[in-house]
Amino acid sequence: EAQVTQNPRYLITVTGKKLTVTCSQNMNHEYMSWYRQDPGLGLRQIYYSMNVEVTDKGDVPEGYKVSRKEKRNFPLILESPSPNQTSLYFCASSASTVGHGYTFGSGTRLTVV
Amino acid sequence: DAKTTQPPSMDCAEGRAANLPCNHSTISGNEYVYWYRQIHSQGPQYIIHGLKNNETNEMASLIITEDRKSSTLILPHATLRDTAVYYCIVRVAPSITQGGSEKLVFGKGTKLTVNP
Repeated sequence: EAQVTQNPRYLITVTGKKLTVTCSQNMNHEYMSWYRQDPGLGLRQIYYSMNVEVTDKGDVPEGYKVSRKEKRNFPLILESPSPNQTSLYFCASSASTVGHGYTFGSGTRLTVV
Repeated sequence: DAKTTQPPSMDCAEGRAANLPCNHSTISGNEYVYWYRQIHSQGPQYIIHGLKNNETNEMASLIITEDRKSSTLILPHATLRDTAVYYCIVRVAPSITQGGSEKLVFGKGTKLTVNP
């Protein structure tokens, strides 16, 4: 089944403890992206990648890092999480040709205490 | 800021057509209109997209005005399961984004409630 898989689905962590949220897609998509969603603020793009080793900032990149060493994986790294990074996170991927929208993962609910 | 403007909420009776408007008055010639929906806190789901011609698929129809400054997503026979937040975004055609950007801005969308 074509899908975007995020792990973990739920995570509670403490301030300052480095964490990684993994994202993997099995559709050979070139484009991948991370979003966070907060009440009243909608979906905001954190980082995106247009191919292996090609990444760029979205609207809210502060406090996050990403890497794209392989086409299928696009992990989101929080080096020193803070409570304001408590949010619902979505990973998404898309082919690089016209005719395709983004396929989103099921989300990761992160709580930083 | 989002390049699109949508009403914050709409209601529709079950079985009737739901018509969701979107304004994108600053759309560029190489930008497509995409629609997604999000049911509760699930991952958003792609619905349909178009450039200037009207489009239809198994989920919905998309009507784009001739000047491309606005569009309407039509769910022909809304069901209770269509209750969701619907997002309209503009996106540069992926095949010509070499050196360009996949920076996407989702607005706050339209909360559609389908009533029995």
